[in-house]
Amino acid sequence: GESVGLHLPTLSVQEGDNSIINCAYSNSASDYFIWYKQESGKGPQFIIDIRSNMDKRQGQRVTVLLNKTVKHLSLQIAATQPGDSAVYFCAENGDSGGYNKLIFGAGTRLAVHP
Amino acid sequence: GAGVSQSPRYKVAKRGQDVALRCDPISGHVSLFWYQQALGQGPEFLTYFQNEAQLDKSGLPSDRFFAERPEGSVSTLKIQRTQQEDSAVYLCASSLVVGDTEAFFGQGTRLTVV
Repeated sequence: GESVGLHLPTLSVQEGDNSIINCAYSNSASDYFIWYKQESGKGPQFIIDIRSNMDKRQGQRVTVLLNKTVKHLSLQIAATQPGDSAVYFCAENGDSGGYNKLIFGAGTRLAVHP
Repeated sequence: GAGVSQSPRYKVAKRGQDVALRCDPISGHVSLFWYQQALGQGPEFLTYFQNEAQLDKSGLPSDRFFAERPEGSVSTLKIQRTQQEDSAVYLCASSLVVGDTEAFFGQGTRLTVV
């Protein structure tokens, strides 16, 4: 079936370093891939998305890379800050008929140390 | 408030009890989703509304789960005869237009069935 998974369950980084969170997906029919951040006790928060016909997209301090050949997605966070500590989910919209029903992976916990 | 509001934040139910979870989406948002998030896992899709129409209920785990959005704004997720396996965080998300990749999530309702 369709699935979105992550390579690393936890990632510890020093404040100021760059972080890279990886994700593998299986559904080639997805139009969009999206990264969400979830802080403890809160709902997921949209970070950035990338359309399937793109390889790279940049936002504020974040970059998403999409490699369709190996079905791999990554989120790069520059100059990681303590406020970046959270669980990060990649998600894809599968082939949900246009209304973007999201299929989430299990998540990677990012811990930023001072 | 300007965000998605869910109530109650926490609900403890005895096994066999019926519960109702409420979601107030952002005003004017057409799309509304319900997701279920087990501890340590990513959210899993339950059901989708476009205005008042429930277009997808493929993720509802059993006929004990029922959702409605009668006037195209507030939505209620009802679980009848709760079981321990229903214990999870129930998340509501809304988006402005159909196909919008940015969904705004509420804080969720944590349901514990004892």
